[in-house]
Amino acid sequence: GIQVEQSPPDLILQEGANSTLRCNFSDSVNNLQWFHQNPWGQLINLFYIPSGTKQNGRLSATTVATERYSLLYISSSQTTDSGVYFCAASTLGGGSEKLVFGKGTKLTVNP
Amino acid sequence: ETGVTQTPRHLVMGMTNKKSLKCEQHLGHNAMYWYKQSAKKPLELMFVYSLEERVENNSVPSRFSPECPNSSHLFLHLHTLQPEDSALYLCASSASRLNTEAFFGQGTRLTVV
Repeated sequence: GIQVEQSPPDLILQEGANSTLRCNFSDSVNNLQWFHQNPWGQLINLFYIPSGTKQNGRLSATTVATERYSLLYISSSQTTDSGVYFCAASTLGGGSEKLVFGKGTKLTVNP
Repeated sequence: ETGVTQTPRHLVMGMTNKKSLKCEQHLGHNAMYWYKQSAKKPLELMFVYSLEERVENNSVPSRFSPECPNSSHLFLHLHTLQPEDSALYLCASSASRLNTEAFFGQGTRLTVV
């Protein structure tokens, strides 16, 4: 099945800094999602982005499907951005449409 | 409001107990999922239901028994669990199981004592 790898595993920032999180995947994808897991465990949808670029406020994401990676950009980070960011992907066909998660990037934003 | 609601949020149970986790989605989706998140491990898919039919069971022990009575509700029945089953259990739904955006509930944090 598809492999999903995220980097870096941990990231510490000062408030106001910008950051880039990376997600590499091993196969062509038909679904690529970014999530933020808050301290209470809930997964919040950030982007559904199997290809292209999207922006939502201070966050944006780009997926280059042909090169099998996706990037999540966080600008002007705030303490509330702290948490774990997950990338998840699935590929179509062969009964393997399940969403496979990376191990996450733990982001800590200090005041 | 995520549209996917899980209850209870926290559960402590003994190894001989029987309990159930409940998930309800208000999004009109046709596929529902159970995931398990253990400490320091990626989220693991446990079960997939599409139109109330179980379409995937990822080698999950029989002490976990899912039930999907309709497309809006999903249960996970638990019995004779082990301490290593302590984890965050997340429910998700999507419009269909074929590569559509998934939405997650708040999770149930389960502790087996």
